[in-house]
Amino acid sequence: NAGVTQTPKFRILKIGQSMTLQCTQDMNHNYMYWYRQDPGMGLKLIYYSVGAGITDKGEVPNGYNVSRSTTEDFPLRLELAAPSQTSVYFCASSSSGAYNEQFFGPGTRLTVL
Amino acid sequence: RKEVEQDPGPFNVPEGATVAFNCTYSNSASQSFFWYRQDCRKEPKLLMSVYSSGNEDGRFTAQLNRASQYISLLIRDSKLSDSATYLCVVTHYNQGGKLIFGQGTELSVKP
Repeated sequence: NAGVTQTPKFRILKIGQSMTLQCTQDMNHNYMYWYRQDPGMGLKLIYYSVGAGITDKGEVPNGYNVSRSTTEDFPLRLELAAPSQTSVYFCASSSSGAYNEQFFGPGTRLTVL
Repeated sequence: RKEVEQDPGPFNVPEGATVAFNCTYSNSASQSFFWYRQDCRKEPKLLMSVYSSGNEDGRFTAQLNRASQYISLLIRDSKLSDSATYLCVVTHYNQGGKLIFGQGTELSVKP
């Protein structure tokens, strides 16, 4: 079991560029989440999904989009990168939402210059 | 006001010390409570869930006071390997299981 995997590990973008952060889990979890973590801060929820084909906004969704076409994959899209999106992005999954442990991927460190 | 607030830290303690972290939450509808641990530049990992009756896992004890909306984590006999940031987390059942994180309290255990 690989658990939750994320690619890339690091990326530098120029202002206005676009990119997709990939997230895959092999635990057959229905629930998946995207968080961002700024230096010295806790994690903030960007988007989440309770199953394939269902997504919903979290606390800080502006500037991001997601899709969930399969149970395994939950990519996060940045359309017009801005310096404010410089952060570490974590993807997570869980089997049944609030009751259960969330398993996190190793993170993607994104810098927008 | 932040929904989950923790002691600002950092806590610098010698090996063998007992250290306690405090956390308050503002939403009385919060239903599940956890402590996650995050090592430097790594992903968070579940340390322990927090139950209403309190619970213990080895050197770690977690307490919940719903009336005061307060959660605590006690670490006894601190080890060097306990050095990390400890994140207080709450969830609401009707919000897709999303976690609400405190900003974290950094612990540094010195020899």
